[in-house]
Amino acid sequence: GENVEQHPSTLSVQEGDSAVIKCTYSDSASNYFPWYKQELGKGPQLIIDIRSNVGEKKDQRIAVTLNKTAKHFSLHITETQPEDSAVYFCAARNQAGTALIFGKGTTLSVSS
Amino acid sequence: GAGVSQSPSNKVTEKGKDVELRCDPISGHTALYWYRQSLGQGLEFLIYFQGNSAPDKSGLPSDRFSAERTGGSVSTLTIQRTQQEDSAVYLCASSRDSLREQYFGPGTRLTVT
Repeated sequence: GENVEQHPSTLSVQEGDSAVIKCTYSDSASNYFPWYKQELGKGPQLIIDIRSNVGEKKDQRIAVTLNKTAKHFSLHITETQPEDSAVYFCAARNQAGTALIFGKGTTLSVSS
Repeated sequence: GAGVSQSPSNKVTEKGKDVELRCDPISGHTALYWYRQSLGQGLEFLIYFQGNSAPDKSGLPSDRFSAERTGGSVSTLTIQRTQQEDSAVYLCASSRDSLREQYFGPGTRLTVT
């Protein structure tokens, strides 16, 4: 079945810097890749997603890139702010389309 | 509109007792998912419901776990004879259909003592 690897597990940046989180997936049939932000004590919040028919998608300070050949996708956050501090999860939809398979998360800390 | 809601928000139970966790999906969403998040870990898929189709139960870790979805809306996850390793946050998500974005509830934190 699908397997998703995510790194780094922790990332510390200064306010205003960029942050990049990378994920790889194993099932070449996967076609949907969302990113979630989870704050302490809350459920994951969808922040951006990408489908396999595009290579890049942007939404203000957040962008996601997808390389289908290499089977990896990345989250880019520019001009980071303290409120970006949270745990970020990447995911890939399984081949059956019935579930998301998640990476183990990246704890992002933005210091001012 | 209202998001996914879950109840209770916290549940403490003794080992060996049964527990029921409830999920109210977003109105009109036909797909519903349960995930489990253990401390410091990613989310682990448990079960998926889509309309009147047979659920995908492939993620349930043991036969002590079961779930149902009545009337295509509310879902309950039942854990029988709870064990300490069942302690985790149980998250519910819903989507308009299986191809659309999944939206998560706040979760139920289960502690088995």
